[in-house]
Amino acid sequence: QKEVEQDPGPLSVPEGAIVSLNCTYSNSAFQYFMWYRQYSRKGPELLMYTYSSGNKEDGRFTAQVDKSSKYISLFIRDSQPSDSATYLCAMIGEDSGNTGKLIFGQGTTLQVKP
Amino acid sequence: EPEVTQTPSHQVTQMGQEVILRCVPISNHLYFYWYRQILGQKVEFLVSFYNNEISEKSEIFDDQFSVERPDGSNFTLKIRSTKLEDSAMYFCASMRSGGEKLFFGSGTQLSVL
Repeated sequence: QKEVEQDPGPLSVPEGAIVSLNCTYSNSAFQYFMWYRQYSRKGPELLMYTYSSGNKEDGRFTAQVDKSSKYISLFIRDSQPSDSATYLCAMIGEDSGNTGKLIFGQGTTLQVKP
Repeated sequence: EPEVTQTPSHQVTQMGQEVILRCVPISNHLYFYWYRQILGQKVEFLVSFYNNEISEKSEIFDDQFSVERPDGSNFTLKIRSTKLEDSAMYFCASMRSGGEKLFFGSGTQLSVL
């Protein structure tokens, strides 16, 4: 089983739709969960950062972590064409917090059509 | 807003040549990293660096790779003898302190011919 699994998509939605992006993982030691946005040929840009289980909201973005199911989600409300990008989930264990060894998912490519 | 800066944005080299990729991390950050992304694949961890030494390295980071912080602002990745399979986008990242957020640069696209 892969350590972090993420459906690569592509996912195409109309402008204004609610988007749901998900990752599953196998390592129960993961404690920090992140979502990055990556535009073509650019570096990952941090969107959301969550510690342990729970929800976190920032504007149109909501991150959810369910450690019991080893499942994390990112919701985008009122999606815009500018949200079109690849979304990467990433995670790290508490003992690797200093080494910064993030484990990334494959990334889901999102296209929001006007 | 402070950002991680990488140069050059593109680097083309011949197989067997040495390359140095350069990064200027965010100024008050203490932890530095290199990641890479082969086209169509996941972003992969290469190495972490703290207090002037390597904290952790992946299996990819073999003897052909080295990192250095030659002064108070730069952080470099050297590949001694490049191979075709080293062609990838290389990302530098930095973090202010342990357990905090990791910020990435825009990357250097390395093409080995």
